[in-house]
Amino acid sequence: DADVTQTPRNRITKTGKRIMLECSQTKGHDRMYWYRQDPGLGLRLIYYSFDVKDINKGEISDGYSVSRQAQAKFSLSLESAIPNQTALYFCATSDLISNEQFFGPGTRLTVL
Amino acid sequence: RKEVEQDPGPFNVPEGATVAFNCTYSNSASQSFFWYRQDCRKEPKLLMSVYSSGNEDGRFTAQLNRASQYISLLIRDSKLSDSATYLCVVFNLNNAGNMLTFGGGTRLMVKP
Repeated sequence: DADVTQTPRNRITKTGKRIMLECSQTKGHDRMYWYRQDPGLGLRLIYYSFDVKDINKGEISDGYSVSRQAQAKFSLSLESAIPNQTALYFCATSDLISNEQFFGPGTRLTVL
Repeated sequence: RKEVEQDPGPFNVPEGATVAFNCTYSNSASQSFFWYRQDCRKEPKLLMSVYSSGNEDGRFTAQLNRASQYISLLIRDSKLSDSATYLCVVFNLNNAGNMLTFGGGTRLMVKP
């Protein structure tokens, strides 16, 4: 089984809809991250959490919110989706010592 | 100026060729450096860390030049399976904790 899982893997939605992307991990890591990837722009950090009680904005948090329900779960919400939020979204985890991040398989979101 | 810059490519090379990618970073206080590999429509995975003295892992050699603020990746004896996008990643310890900044990636296509 994969260490970091994301659901759904693909989603097509309409402008104005509320969308939640979910991430679960079995690595036992405290730190979790949400990124979006757009062609040519690399991965950009949306939000990150260093433990259950900790939530921090990343580079591009406007239009997004997150919830850290447990050590193993970190969800990303788009309260009112807009077309420029069409992208590939990745969840990642890391431990306290290593700088290596482990990524989920990604969620491809299309907002029409 | 982007914090981490890479030539997007694509680099088209024949099997067996040697190919090199460079990456420049703008923050002189950056502490750690990595190369990640991302296959088409898949998640990024750590390829190798980059150490100040340079390091080698099989056919892959990474170099760091702090004075000029660039990182390189050399791939010898290219294989078809090396075809992927290579992401240059820089780690900065900021006030909030460890942060990775990703370059836009360099696409490599190895042809028979």
